Amino acid sequence: DTAVSQTPKYLVTQMGNDKSIKCEQNLGHDTMYWYKQDSKKFLKIMFSYNNKELIINETVPNRFSPKSPDKAHLNLHINSLELGDSAVYFCASSQDPGTAYTEAFFGQGTRLTVV
Amino acid sequence: SQQGEEDPQALSIQEGENATMNCSYKTSINNLQWYRQNSGRGLVHLILIRSNEREKHSGRLRVTLDTSKKSSSLLITASRAADTASYFCATISQGAQKLVFGQGTRLTINP
Repeated sequence: DTAVSQTPKYLVTQMGNDKSIKCEQNLGHDTMYWYKQDSKKFLKIMFSYNNKELIINETVPNRFSPKSPDKAHLNLHINSLELGDSAVYFCASSQDPGTAYTEAFFGQGTRLTVV
Repeated sequence: SQQGEEDPQALSIQEGENATMNCSYKTSINNLQWYRQNSGRGLVHLILIRSNEREKHSGRLRVTLDTSKKSSSLLITASRAADTASYFCATISQGAQKLVFGQGTRLTINP
């Protein structure tokens, strides 16, 4: 069973469209994240949720809206897509990140291409 | 902002040789972790070292941590072609609740 699964794996869309990426984890973790990896492979955290509540929003544009219906799911909705949104988006989960023992588990990524 | 900086950005060695990658960070940390990313795939956790540990081993991996210098190194011994990947260090700062990544080292093992 896949621990962290995200769909779709590839997403090609036109500028101005709205799209969603879904993420589910079956590890029983309390914390889930969205990361963005750009073309230079920089991984930057976007959001962090703990038990369905937003705890980190790294100055991401309002066009990005995460939604966590329960602690096993964290979806990412993007409005009015722009060319600069093209990247690979990773979902991840972990136990409480405030402890000294936490490791994160990542999904396979969603490659978003805005044309 | 990026917490970690990795050195080198790219490393190419022959199969069987050892590969060493370094990571520096800026703030006090709870732990430091190393991840591997194969091309087109997600990140896979390799090893975690806590702030009160100095060295840790896992199979062919050896990680060191020097909190006075705010640096860590990852050594892969007896490298194999399958080790070809990007390697990232990541830290959780004290009091923070997020894992922050360095920019990664792209390792190529030549057969």
